[in-house]
Amino acid sequence: EVQLVQSGAEVKKPGESLRISCKASGYSFSTYWISWVRQMPGKGLEWLGRIDPSDSYSDYGPTFRGRVSISSDTSVSTVYLQLSSLKASDSATYYCARDIGYSSASAYWGQGTLVTVSS
Amino acid sequence: YVLTQAPSVSVAPGKTARIACGGDNIGSNRVHWYLQRPGQAPVLVVYDDRDRPSGIPERFSGSNSGNTATLTISRVEAGDEADYYCQVWDSNSDHPVFGGGTKLTVL
Repeated sequence: EVQLVQSGAEVKKPGESLRISCKASGYSFSTYWISWVRQMPGKGLEWLGRIDPSDSYSDYGPTFRGRVSISSDTSVSTVYLQLSSLKASDSATYYCARDIGYSSASAYWGQGTLVTVSS
Repeated sequence: YVLTQAPSVSVAPGKTARIACGGDNIGSNRVHWYLQRPGQAPVLVVYDDRDRPSGIPERFSGSNSGNTATLTISRVEAGDEADYYCQVWDSNSDHPVFGGGTKLTVL
């Protein structure tokens, strides 16, 4: 069974950095891209970026480019999201998601990580 | 690339719900649909315009032509009440784009 298990909720202060993780299991980790998607409270889904774990190539959405970094560690089948210079508006639930492979659709999602940025 | 969805759609149980996703020549893109219940992660219900992942009932179907893609839910049940998002891969930016979401209310 494919599973994506994310790290727990985080509380951060403005200006701090964040790192959350997404541990994959049930499939060959290096075979599929993993994306990160953000959802602010009461709002829709925003794509932050993605990584190809086979070679760690990553790319990012324009809104987040420069503040976000996505990395992977194949030894522990885990993808990481780092977001720097946090603002209150970064308070959101962050999801990792894996694509199907033959389609860009995200068939598997993590449970979400709630991030609160507050002074 | 902008995808436009109506904020809300209401339907009575047992009836058919149609949720639209508008975009410039969206018919030339492959559209994916997700449902999201409160407090839960999104769930893929239709991909590549009309295909269903395993476990998704046949009541969920999709179509895509011209400037509008549509998710159709037949014989709507109370459990279908959720937010529904469309998504395409924008070939210009080489990134995925989500619609703003439609809240489906089952009366």
